[in-house]
Amino acid sequence: SAVISQKPSRDICQRGTSLTIQCQVDSQVTMMFWYRQQPGQSLTLIATANQGSEATYESGFVIDKFPISRPNLTFSTLTVSNMSPEDSSIYLCSVARGNTPADEQFFGPGTRLTVL
Amino acid sequence: KNEVEQSPQNLTAQEGEFITINCSYSVGISALHWLQQHPGGGIVSLFMLSSGKKKHGRLIATINIQEKHSSLHITASHPRDSAVYICAVRPRDDKIIFGKGTRLHILP
Repeated sequence: SAVISQKPSRDICQRGTSLTIQCQVDSQVTMMFWYRQQPGQSLTLIATANQGSEATYESGFVIDKFPISRPNLTFSTLTVSNMSPEDSSIYLCSVARGNTPADEQFFGPGTRLTVL
Repeated sequence: KNEVEQSPQNLTAQEGEFITINCSYSVGISALHWLQQHPGGGIVSLFMLSSGKKKHGRLIATINIQEKHSSLHITASHPRDSAVYICAVRPRDDKIIFGKGTRLHILP
């Protein structure tokens, strides 16, 4: 398994500001993912964080709004930029050691964001 | 169109009851996950399975690939089992798709 920590665990932010969420894994992993879970909804993949290159974003998500860094195989950050109340969600970091169906995904504790 | 459907959406039961949560999906998959999400938002992976049945403690997960259906069972349920249970499927060569979850509340 993989132990994942996220910081902060929760935050309340003002409209128009930005928040950077950190994800730390206790071992090297190939794949790191960032998800958003809006109230009452299922998890939606924002992007796959690639080590040493730009993140791969899903449809509906753009780098200017959600810049991602992945400086090494154990750490990644997601920034939620120019926040609005619609960005209020739980943001989850997830990792997998490979990208095959046999590779289980593990999830972090989440960051609960409220935008006023 | 929801590719992963869970039922029920909400379930309240008395402590000790046998719990069943169902998951149906419409795509061909390589694996299916059952996840548990606590009120704070963190997610714990309970099972990953591609056939048959798995058991861990009081939890049992089954899958029928032909019928595209999986069930999660909890025996001798306890208030600490109260959480949201999420079914997620891994289509072949594609990213995981998540269900909306089943909110379980076990009363003491």
